[in-house]
Amino acid sequence: AQSVAQPEDQVNVAEGNPLTVKCTYSVSGNPYLFWYVQYPNRGLQFLLKYITGDNLVKGSYGFEAEFNKSQTSFHLKKPSALVSDSALYFCAVRESTGFQKLVFGTGTRLLVSP
Amino acid sequence: SQTIHQWPATLVQPVGSPLSLECTVEGTSNPNLYWYRQAAGRGLQLLFYSVGIGQISSEVPQNLSASRPQDRQFILSSKKLLLSDSGFYLCAWSVDTGRGGYTFGSGTRLTVV
Repeated sequence: AQSVAQPEDQVNVAEGNPLTVKCTYSVSGNPYLFWYVQYPNRGLQFLLKYITGDNLVKGSYGFEAEFNKSQTSFHLKKPSALVSDSALYFCAVRESTGFQKLVFGTGTRLLVSP
Repeated sequence: SQTIHQWPATLVQPVGSPLSLECTVEGTSNPNLYWYRQAAGRGLQLLFYSVGIGQISSEVPQNLSASRPQDRQFILSSKKLLLSDSGFYLCAWSVDTGRGGYTFGSGTRLTVV
């Protein structure tokens, strides 16, 4: 069965500092991995995905994520955080074969202080 | 381009009243459709998904039901709302291969009073 873990309920960073939001996954085959962001009272917005190829994936708003197969991780990163990055972030995974539903993590709240 | 519409944005309903939330997708055919509930601004709970007209799979037993009367229409319903049905309801769609992930609607905030 697929699963994804976001070990941190909240991540606090100061504006201008680098940020990392952690995600680890478990699938039996090759994974498709996704990051979404949610602002208050809004739907989830797609940030980036890993399907195949380059392990470093670049996405929207200056975010990037690194796929690490040996560590089964897909951490979200940004070199310099903005206050406007404060939101709820979800990691999601599904297997690459067949009809498989996306499995979402429990979410990590990112708080960027001025 | 594909878009997803979800309405209403907010809803306040008394306990015991019926519910109907609608979601429609434009610009794609035969999408997979999903209803999620999010409580207390955190985790997502998958309620129902559908891979085609009239095909509904329920993930958790509850006071809600779903229907898909048309290819790009997904409806979430209840005959009698409970206080515990309050939450943020999200509709989403995907294509079969799943390489594009899910696209979410803007959500409905339901408060049962």
